Amino acid sequence: GEDVEQSLFLSVREGDSSVINCTYTDSSSTYLYWYKQEPGAGLQLLTYIFSNMDMKQDQRLTVLLNKKDKHLSLRIADTQTGDSAIYFCAESGGYNKLIFGAGTRLAVHP
Amino acid sequence: GAGVSQSPRYKVTKRGQDVALRCDPISGHVSLYWYRQALGQGPEFLTYFNYEAQQDKSGLPNDRFSAERPEGSISTLTIQRTEQRDSAMYRCASSLESNLAGNTIYFGEGSWLTVV
Repeated sequence: GEDVEQSLFLSVREGDSSVINCTYTDSSSTYLYWYKQEPGAGLQLLTYIFSNMDMKQDQRLTVLLNKKDKHLSLRIADTQTGDSAIYFCAESGGYNKLIFGAGTRLAVHP
Repeated sequence: GAGVSQSPRYKVTKRGQDVALRCDPISGHVSLYWYRQALGQGPEFLTYFNYEAQQDKSGLPNDRFSAERPEGSISTLTIQRTEQRDSAMYRCASSLESNLAGNTIYFGEGSWLTVV
């Protein structure tokens, strides 16, 4: 069945790069997404990548997709304290459904 | 409205009571989705609508859960005879078009439901 897995925690120093990893199972997923959840806030779409792409860059964010291994990563350059949040990887499991991972909690310390 | 609006934001109810959660999507958005998010987990799909038609309800856990969107705008998720295991955040989302391909889904802040 469809499944998305992420590591639960990541701790980085301010100014360093963060890399959040995700694996998924549905090879037919057309799009893969990264969402950010801050305390008391809704889910915010950070970026997405089409399945025929290997990489997408958007300012400090770089998404890498290895379709063969079904591995997705999100790199945040120059991580700031404002980047502390829970990051969810999601795949498009069907026409109108997103399948989310359990989320990676990113903690940024001075 | 400016974003997806949900009410109530917090609801505490006694086991066995019915609850209704409301979602007001972004104006003009065709599709509306309901997700449930347990503590420490990612959102889990429940159901979605295109206009007033419920297209997929495969994620609804059992027949105590139902949803409607009678006029193709505001939606209500109803849970009958609530149980403690229903405690979670219920998130509503909407999108301009019905095809997810590259189409942004906007999530609301969610309704926290606690069943005691």
